[in-house]
Amino acid sequence: GQNIDQPTEMTATEGAIVQINCTYQTSGFNGLFWYQQHAGEAPTFLSYNVLDGLEEKGRFSSFLSRSKGYSYLLLKELQMKDSASYLCARGSQGNLIFGKGTKLSVKP
Amino acid sequence: SQTIHQWPATLVQPVGSPLSLECTVEGTSNPNLYWYRQAAGRGLQLLFYSIGIGQISSEVPQNLSASRPQDRQFILSSKKLLLSDSGFYLCAWSREGLASDTQYFGPGTRLTVL
Repeated sequence: GQNIDQPTEMTATEGAIVQINCTYQTSGFNGLFWYQQHAGEAPTFLSYNVLDGLEEKGRFSSFLSRSKGYSYLLLKELQMKDSASYLCARGSQGNLIFGKGTKLSVKP
Repeated sequence: SQTIHQWPATLVQPVGSPLSLECTVEGTSNPNLYWYRQAAGRGLQLLFYSIGIGQISSEVPQNLSASRPQDRQFILSSKKLLLSDSGFYLCAWSREGLASDTQYFGPGTRLTVL
């Protein structure tokens, strides 16, 4: 993805907590989005941050630091169904620029 | 509630053949519409976006074109497919306006060019 960096792959254990980091270019920033994409399916919207801080939504939370160009997605109480790719995207000039995604594998 | 449809779900086409993929949105008016391609091992690549009927912006010059004949209809076309056109094609919509907004994706079309 253009100026968006996130790890390619991560592995975690069922029931654990995992944090997926994303760094992005700060110029022209207009919001930070996280999407979940299961293999062979379309991405689905998870969260949106435009101000600094933590947004919590059930087992998923997303954090943003605009000055650092940094965000993370926190997944708690991992379940097997959380195995998927997680896409970080930043808003820019009316569009979204996506990272290449982090493939998360949850093991029993 | 809003829904977005794409068809066909899968498509196998020979090199040099034409292409037409269709996307329709229900439950909203004047949406922004987008076409993305996701190739194996690569991120989502924005191909075209539209803020209104007949208004198309191209992000990546290539042998594809897009049209928006109606408010909630977005079509992706090609006159002659290349092997490199294989991929997962996703249509998305967002609320009207110029600010970056949440995009909602259709189920996608998996295209294989042989």
